[in-house]
Amino acid sequence: ETGVTQSPTHLIKTRGQQVTLRCSSQSGHNTVSWYQQALGQGPQFIFQYYREEENGRGNFPPRFSGLQFPNYSSELNVNALELDDSALYLCASSLNFRGYNEQFFGPGTRLTVL
Amino acid sequence: EDKVVQSPLSLVVHEGDTVTLNCSYEVTNFRSLLWYKQEKKAPTFLFMLTSSGIEKKSGRLSSILDKKELFSILNITATQTGDSAIYLCAVPFTQGGSEKLVFGKGTKLTVNP
Repeated sequence: ETGVTQSPTHLIKTRGQQVTLRCSSQSGHNTVSWYQQALGQGPQFIFQYYREEENGRGNFPPRFSGLQFPNYSSELNVNALELDDSALYLCASSLNFRGYNEQFFGPGTRLTVL
Repeated sequence: EDKVVQSPLSLVVHEGDTVTLNCSYEVTNFRSLLWYKQEKKAPTFLFMLTSSGIEKKSGRLSSILDKKELFSILNITATQTGDSAIYLCAVPFTQGGSEKLVFGKGTKLTVNP
């Protein structure tokens, strides 16, 4: 196991609702990246947080937002849920972002939007 | 746009078979390529490849990178049912100061007894 934890494990929401997913990074890691993995697809980069600031963003609409806290844990918030938001949401923590450092993945949160 | 393409997308074999999984990439400022195994949820790290022609090996798994032809292969010999998983190939990419991983769609390997 990587030491990266995510909660909740599973979540069922209805269209239009809002959801918050949580991630605790591995000890000593200051960077958290979030990925969305739809069924049959590889993970797609949502955004990255470094030292409590958004450090880069993939091709996702503004209703996907996040936070990183002083202890480097992170939240992913999704507003106005759509059916296509149903996916496995993975967070990955790494030591720093300058030069590639190995990203350690959490077990993910499975979100189902009905 | 940077992309990573894996093939085949799905593969069914019998225990004891040898399999070869392919990953091709088009990424600017290439530095490395990574292989992950995803059984249920979290992708687990297998290999990082940075240099052409140098094979990385771990037990029955091995991988090699060809930076001239822009591809990598992952070999699994004497497959076991426990090798059944999705194998993901990813390339780190720097965009606007952030380091992200660009993944392929993965190869779903099923090993039957």
